[in-house]
Amino acid sequence: DTGVSQNPRHKITKRGQNVTFRCDPISEHNRLYWYRQTLGQGPEFLTYFQNEAQLEKSRLLSDRFSAERPKGSFSTLEIQRTEQGDSAMYLCASALGTSAYEQYFGPGTRLTVT
Amino acid sequence: GQNIDQPTEMTATEGAIVQINCTYQTSGFNGLFWYQQHAGEAPTFLSYNVLDGLEEKGRFSSFLSRSKGYSYLLLKELQMKDSASYLCAVRDQVGGGFKTIFGAGTRLFVKA
Repeated sequence: DTGVSQNPRHKITKRGQNVTFRCDPISEHNRLYWYRQTLGQGPEFLTYFQNEAQLEKSRLLSDRFSAERPKGSFSTLEIQRTEQGDSAMYLCASALGTSAYEQYFGPGTRLTVT
Repeated sequence: GQNIDQPTEMTATEGAIVQINCTYQTSGFNGLFWYQQHAGEAPTFLSYNVLDGLEEKGRFSSFLSRSKGYSYLLLKELQMKDSASYLCAVRDQVGGGFKTIFGAGTRLFVKA
């Protein structure tokens, strides 16, 4: 197993454009999390999936953000009409089982909005 | 609401012991994590406490007091490679599962 992978690793986009990130979790992991992290802060929870079901979404997440996990394997996070405040590292993590506590993080996608 | 407090920065000497404290407030507490994060890298799991007491794992130990909303991470025999951010995080039960709330992290500098 190669661990959690994320693509792209870096993305530079102009304000107003849409971007989509992909996360491939560890193969047998059924839980998948998205976080956003800015410099000097801890990861901020965005949303999580158990299999293909999106069970929780942060109230801080505006309607410009959407996430999917259509087949319960990989997940995508889309940001529409990007703003400079969206510049951050977007981290994906996966975990095994329904009560597993240890999350395995991917390397992240660094988004820069100019 | 949820709140996690930990010191912003700490400095310690190679070979010494350092204790990083964390206090938290949450509604559906279901355990506390410590993660290590080197600059530019993803967090890596260090420990998980759900019951009161001390959990030891090699040079790292983690303590939890649920009644006080308090935890600490103890690092012994510090090495230069331990210079990193240490994230305290609380597992909160929500809806049909759990979510993890992270503190801002404590940046540890280990000097020779």
